[in-house]
Amino acid sequence: QVQLVQSGAEVKRPGSSVKVSCKADGGTFSGHSINWVRQAPGQGLEWMGRIIPIISVTNFTQKFQGRVTINADRSTNTAYMELRGLRSEDTGVYYCARGVSPGGLDFWGQGTLITVSS
Amino acid sequence: DIQMTQSPSSLSASVGDRVTITCRASQGIDNYLAWYQQKPGKVPKLLIYAASTLQSGVPSRFSGSGSGTYFTLTISSLQPEDVATYYCQKFNSVPLAFGGGTKVEIK
Repeated sequence: QVQLVQSGAEVKRPGSSVKVSCKADGGTFSGHSINWVRQAPGQGLEWMGRIIPIISVTNFTQKFQGRVTINADRSTNTAYMELRGLRSEDTGVYYCARGVSPGGLDFWGQGTLITVSS
Repeated sequence: DIQMTQSPSSLSASVGDRVTITCRASQGIDNYLAWYQQKPGKVPKLLIYAASTLQSGVPSRFSGSGSGTYFTLTISSLQPEDVATYYCQKFNSVPLAFGGGTKVEIK
C-alpha cells in the first residue's frame, strides 16, 4: 500500500520561505488528490489546499491564497508545498494526505515540523 | 465558505459508555463528511467517510450518521484506546474545512 514520506523538520526565519516534499512510496498518485493540512502547536487540523496531479488542478483555502504554492512531479510521485512570507504563527506540523472519492484523506505523511523563529 | 462546528469541544466518559460527538455544517453538504481520530502525538486516521461508511480496519464500535447539516460520530462502548481528538471534515466542495475537534478522555 502507498506510504507518503515527507521531508524533514526545518527552522526558518520570519519572512523566508519553506518547501516541503511528499513522496508516494510503493504507489502512484493515480487519480487521487494530495492535500496539505497544517496543525499549529496544541491546535486543530487546518486544510490548506490540494493538488489533483493527473489534471494539474490546485485549490486553496482563502487564508493561504497567494502565499502558498502546491505542485507535483508525476514522474517521481512527489508533491511539494511552498509557503512564503513565513511568520511565527506558521509554526506547526504540516501533513500531506491522499484524498479519495467520495471523500476522505486515507493515507497521511508522517508530518513535517516547521518552526519559524528569529 | 461553509463552516464546520463540532460539539462538545471535550468530554470525559467511563469505559463502556456510549459517546456521541456532533458536527454541524453551516450549509448543507449532503453526505460528504469524513471523521478522523488523532491520538496524542500521532498522525490523524480516517475512521468514516461518506458520513456513515466505516473505513477498512476500523472497529465496529465506531459509527457515523447524518446528512445535510447535522452529523454524529458514535462510539458504542468507549475503550481506553479511544482516547484521542476526533475531527470532522467536509468534502462537498473546496475548501475542505475541518471541525474544531472533540477531545475524548476517560473518566
